Amino acid sequence: DGGITQSPKYLFRKEGQNVTLSCEQNLNHDAMYWYRQDPGQGLRLIYYSQIVNDFQKGDIAEGYSVSREKKESFPLTVTSAQKNPTAFYLCASSITAGGGKTQYFGPGTRLLVL
Amino acid sequence: GQNIDQPTEMTATEGAIVQINCTYQTSGFNGLFWYQQHAGEAPTFLSYNVLDGLEEKGRFSSFLSRSKGYSYLLLKELQMKDSASYLCAVREMNRDDKIIFGKGTRLHILP
Repeated sequence: DGGITQSPKYLFRKEGQNVTLSCEQNLNHDAMYWYRQDPGQGLRLIYYSQIVNDFQKGDIAEGYSVSREKKESFPLTVTSAQKNPTAFYLCASSITAGGGKTQYFGPGTRLLVL
Repeated sequence: GQNIDQPTEMTATEGAIVQINCTYQTSGFNGLFWYQQHAGEAPTFLSYNVLDGLEEKGRFSSFLSRSKGYSYLLLKELQMKDSASYLCAVREMNRDDKIIFGKGTRLHILP
């Protein structure tokens, strides 16, 4: 089955701890994205990558880091510098970054702070 | 900058028709998307408009007027499973073709 997987579904973070959210796709898509969604809010872009070994900051990158060492993987690390990390995190991918290419979303990871 | 406005909530009756409006302001329009998102789940793609006019896909249709910065999503023959949030999103040409999302419209369907 082709698609995007995210793990875990729920993640708990202790104060001062870094946590990493996994995102894997087997769609052979070049572009991958990380969004954050807060209750009653739209999706806000954290980081995106248009090609392997390259990524750019989105609108709310502070306190987050990413890597893109493989085409199919785009993990997101929520660092201790992110003071309000509780949110629903969504990973997405598209064939390329431009044109009319829609983004396909993974099932999401809900991050909660203990 | 960019701004996307859509109503926060709407209510409609099963079997009826509902229209969800979206207005946007952007410096380099390159397409508009509608997504459906059920509570606690990921958004799923509904439609894409880049030229003016109406795109019909089954019970769902989407309209775009670029000169007015306006789109709507039309849902016909409403079913209870249509209860969800509907996200309007705009792709901006001069921002690496990134997609900017509105806050979504929560649609409640009454029996």
